[in-house]
Amino acid sequence: EAGVAQSPRYKIIEKRQSVAFWCNPISGHATLYWYQQILGQGPKLLIQFQNNGVVDDSQLPKDRFSAERLKGVDSTLKIQPAKLEDSAVYLCASSLGNRVSTDTQYFGPGTRLTVL
Amino acid sequence: AQSVTQLGSHVSVSEGALVLLRCNYSSSVPPYLFWYVQYPNQGLQLLLKYTTGATLVKGINGFEAEFKKSETSFHLTKPSAHMSDAAEYFCAVSGGQAGTALIFGKGTTLSVSS
Repeated sequence: EAGVAQSPRYKIIEKRQSVAFWCNPISGHATLYWYQQILGQGPKLLIQFQNNGVVDDSQLPKDRFSAERLKGVDSTLKIQPAKLEDSAVYLCASSLGNRVSTDTQYFGPGTRLTVL
Repeated sequence: AQSVTQLGSHVSVSEGALVLLRCNYSSSVPPYLFWYVQYPNQGLQLLLKYTTGATLVKGINGFEAEFKKSETSFHLTKPSAHMSDAAEYFCAVSGGQAGTALIFGKGTTLSVSS
């Protein structure tokens, strides 16, 4: 079974530029998450999708971050314009979303963003 | 609100020694609890999870954790450390329903010396 795919793996941009990250979840997984992991900290949820609808985006800085999950499969996270404090690893995770105790989140390798 | 506290940002053990990584949580609802491991430049991999039932949970690679409600703890242990266990470990809690987002601790880096 293929895992969660993310691209690019690394990205370096200058502040005020824009950047986009892509995630392809495990086939059949209804729930998709984007987490931000700043160096030295645990991942923090940015946004959660159930199919193509947003479940939780309360911690997404909506003035600069946006995300979409068209057709309920892959997803794109965008930052425009980027700030220095956006330097982090952006992790995508997916789960079946069937709300049973065996539901497990599977994580992709992440995209490491450096903002100069 | 839920939160996770991992005591000790860095733990060092010798190969063959007991591994103990501490995690305490705060939750107003019965929690689901997780331990994930992260190797350099890789995503997070689930080690084990507690949802309901038996409070001693066994995971992959010889790790186990015990849910202690009275102590609000979910410490991770392994009887004998191996060099390959060197990584960063994250404890996480969710709201007691599958499919809800995880709240992570800050992580503990485990070093294993020969």
